[in-house]
Amino acid sequence: DAGVTQSPTHLIKTRGQQVTLRCSPKSGHDTVSWYQQALGQGPQFIFQYYEEEERQRGNFPDRFSGHQFPNYSSELNVNALLLGDSALYLCASSSHRVQQYFGPGTRLTVT
Amino acid sequence: SQQGEEDPQALSIQEGENATMNCSYKTSINNLQWYRQNSGRGLVHLILIRSNEREKHSGRLRVTLDTSKKSSSLLITASRAADTASYFCATDANQGAQKLVFGQGTRLTINP
Repeated sequence: DAGVTQSPTHLIKTRGQQVTLRCSPKSGHDTVSWYQQALGQGPQFIFQYYEEEERQRGNFPDRFSGHQFPNYSSELNVNALLLGDSALYLCASSSHRVQQYFGPGTRLTVT
Repeated sequence: SQQGEEDPQALSIQEGENATMNCSYKTSINNLQWYRQNSGRGLVHLILIRSNEREKHSGRLRVTLDTSKKSSSLLITASRAADTASYFCATDANQGAQKLVFGQGTRLTINP
């Protein structure tokens, strides 16, 4: 049984560009949450998707948007990248409000 | 913003010793969870304690929760080199909402 997978593993972008990160949830899970973890900090909640809709959102600007597909996979999009967007982006999946399982993350570097 | 603080920020002990990490938080919670993270990769769930519980055990892990002080502690007994990692507490304010709010973490180093 595959766990949560994320792609790509690493990504380098330039300021002002746009980026899309992808997440496939653990089998049987229908809820996907995204977190941003800056270097040396704890993860911060970006938003959560359930039934293809954004259910909750953290304190992040509209440059951060997402999508969930009918197969429960999800994308995180960030527009107009800033240097401060450099971070590890973590995806977590869950079902029926039980424990979340985290993926390995995507390391985004903005230059 | 972070929910609370973890103490200490870094801890270095000898293999075989016990390691204790503390977490404080600011708002009422439904549950508190502890996670481990190796080398800046994905988070591994260690243990969940609900707001109506005071202590929970899992293998070499012991977690306590004091809701009156808004604090929790994680004890790792008989530490091993493989326990070297960053440890985070995370609070979930609403039952099942799973909007986790993390602390800044404790970097634990186990010296052989």
